[in-house]
Order: sequence, then C-alpha cells, then structure tokens
Amino acid sequence: NAGVMQNPRHLVRRRGQEARLRCSPMKGHSHVYWYRQLPEEGLKFMVYLQKENIIDESGMPKERFSAEFPKEGPSILRIQQVVRGDSAAYFCASSPQYSTDTQYFGPGTRLTVL
Amino acid sequence: EDQVTQSPEALRLQEGESSSLNCSYTVSGLRGLFWYRQDPGKGPEFLFTLYSAGEEKEKERLKATLTKKESFLHITAPKPEDSATYLCAVLLGDNNDMRFGAGTRLTVKP
Repeated sequence: NAGVMQNPRHLVRRRGQEARLRCSPMKGHSHVYWYRQLPEEGLKFMVYLQKENIIDESGMPKERFSAEFPKEGPSILRIQQVVRGDSAAYFCASSPQYSTDTQYFGPGTRLTVL
Repeated sequence: EDQVTQSPEALRLQEGESSSLNCSYTVSGLRGLFWYRQDPGKGPEFLFTLYSAGEEKEKERLKATLTKKESFLHITAPKPEDSATYLCAVLLGDNNDMRFGAGTRLTVKP
C-alpha cells in the first residue's frame, strides 16, 4: 500500500516563475493537508482540502498561493510569481474520511527559488 | 495564543542512555497530541496519538505520555538509529488545524 506521494521531490524555479507541487494521498484517504517547513523552523499549516472543496485555508498567504483537490487526480499546490522567500520544503499529508485526526505525511517537495 | 514548545532543542545521548523529550502546550480546544519522527530530507513519520490526560502509548523503545499541560516522549536505552528530529503537534478545533513544535533534534552516539 503506497504511502502519500509527492512530486517533484526537488523543484528549482527562478523568481517570477510558477511552481506546481503535486500530492497523491494514500489509497482510501479523502482529506489532504499542505504544510510548509522553512529552514530551522517548524512545520506550518497552510491548507486543508477534501475532494473539490477547500475546508480551511487559514494558513495560506493571501496572494500568489492556491490549492485544489479535484475529483480526479492529485492535489495541487500552486505558487505564482515565486520569490526567494518561497524557498522551503512543502509537505502534503492525508487522512482517511473515517478518522481525520491522524495525518500521514509524504516525503515533501523541496522548492528552491533562484 | 495557541503555542507548542518543545525542549530541549537538541539532545545528545550515548547509546543506552535513557532520557525524555518534552512538549508543553497552551491551547484551547485540544483534540489530540501527536508525536512524529523526521529524518533529514524526509517527511514526518507518525509515531503516536494521545487524546486525554493520563494516556500512555508505547512502541519499541519509545513511550509517550500526556498530562493537561505537556507530553513526554521517553526513550529507553536508545540506539544510534533513533537519531532524528522528534516533532510534537497538537490538533485544534473543528478544522483539523495541526500546530507543530519546532522539534527536538536527537543524536545517539554509539
């Protein structure tokens, strides 16, 4: 049973470009969460999604960041017009519908903005 | 303001030297407290969930306990492969908002 999958594992972008990060939850999981981890800092919650719905986006920056979890396919975290401060590790987690408490994390995408 | 504080920031142990990691929290509406292990360059790996004061969970050399204000992760006779960053997180409210501490970086020397 595959765990949470994220791709790409490493992403390099120049300032002003767009970054698209993908997350496929564990099989049978319908809840997806995105977190950001800056160097020497803890994980910070960004957004919580269910299929086709954003449940809580209180941790998302108001501009340039968006997330979706379509009916078919992976969840996407999109960062437009990236800046150097966006460089971080972005982790996705998922949980099953019947027990939304425990979140299982993917390996992360390390974004570097040049 | 909801806060999760882990101590110490870093801990160096000799193999076999037991110790404890602390996670103190000041939050309202706690739904659960979680411990994760994170190795360099990898995602957090789930260890334990604790829901109520007095609860304890064990897994191999690790035991997690919970009081109304803090949680401890006890490591008994650690081995070098236990070296990692241990993260504590609390789950709040109705929207699955999980707040993480900054972690304790554990190094176990052979």
